[in-house]
Amino acid sequence: DTAVSQTPKYLVTQMGNDKSIKCEQNLGHDTMYWYKQDSKKFLKIMFSYNNKELIINETVPNRFSPKSPDKAHLNLHINSLELGDSAVYFCASSPYLAGASYNEQFFGPGTRLTVL
Amino acid sequence: AQTVTQSQPEMSVQEAETVTLSCTYDTSENNYYLFWYKQPPSRQMILVIRQEAYKQQNATENRFSVNFQKAAKSFSLKISDSQLGDTAMYFCAFMKPSVDNYGQNFVFGPGTRLSVLP
Repeated sequence: DTAVSQTPKYLVTQMGNDKSIKCEQNLGHDTMYWYKQDSKKFLKIMFSYNNKELIINETVPNRFSPKSPDKAHLNLHINSLELGDSAVYFCASSPYLAGASYNEQFFGPGTRLTVL
Repeated sequence: AQTVTQSQPEMSVQEAETVTLSCTYDTSENNYYLFWYKQPPSRQMILVIRQEAYKQQNATENRFSVNFQKAAKSFSLKISDSQLGDTAMYFCAFMKPSVDNYGQNFVFGPGTRLSVLP
């Protein structure tokens, strides 16, 4: 069974459109994340959500908005898509273990977004 | 802010040989974690190995080991007996533990593309 899944795997769209990428984890984790990997392979965190609360926002444009309908899902909505949004977007999740200073993040397979 | 540098954009190694990937980082923190992630052509991010900064002993996972030099802020990955399946992008990453474990924030290096040649 896939632990962290993303849909779609590939998304091709026109500039100016609004699109969403879905992420689901069946691990019972408490925190979920979105990362962007650009064409140079640089991987940067965009958001993380815990118990429906946004706790990190790495100054991404407000055209990007994470939405978490429940603990197992963190979807990424992108409005008014721009050419520079073309990238691979990764979802990840991590558990919360009381007393641990580190909890491993599990990554999804990525969604390749191409904006034409 | 923390930064992670990988000075080797591409490397290649013959099958069964040993290769070392370099990583340096910059931080003022004393307690942190370092990771190597592998990203094969499938794009999946796979954790290869993890090192806690407070541990002096270098981490080892089967054919993968690290050389952690805290004073030099260096964290290299050694792959022994390289296999064709090791062909991938390798990312070095830094994480500062958060007080309440929420919102742990990775800082990734730019990656090294490793090709294992038959």
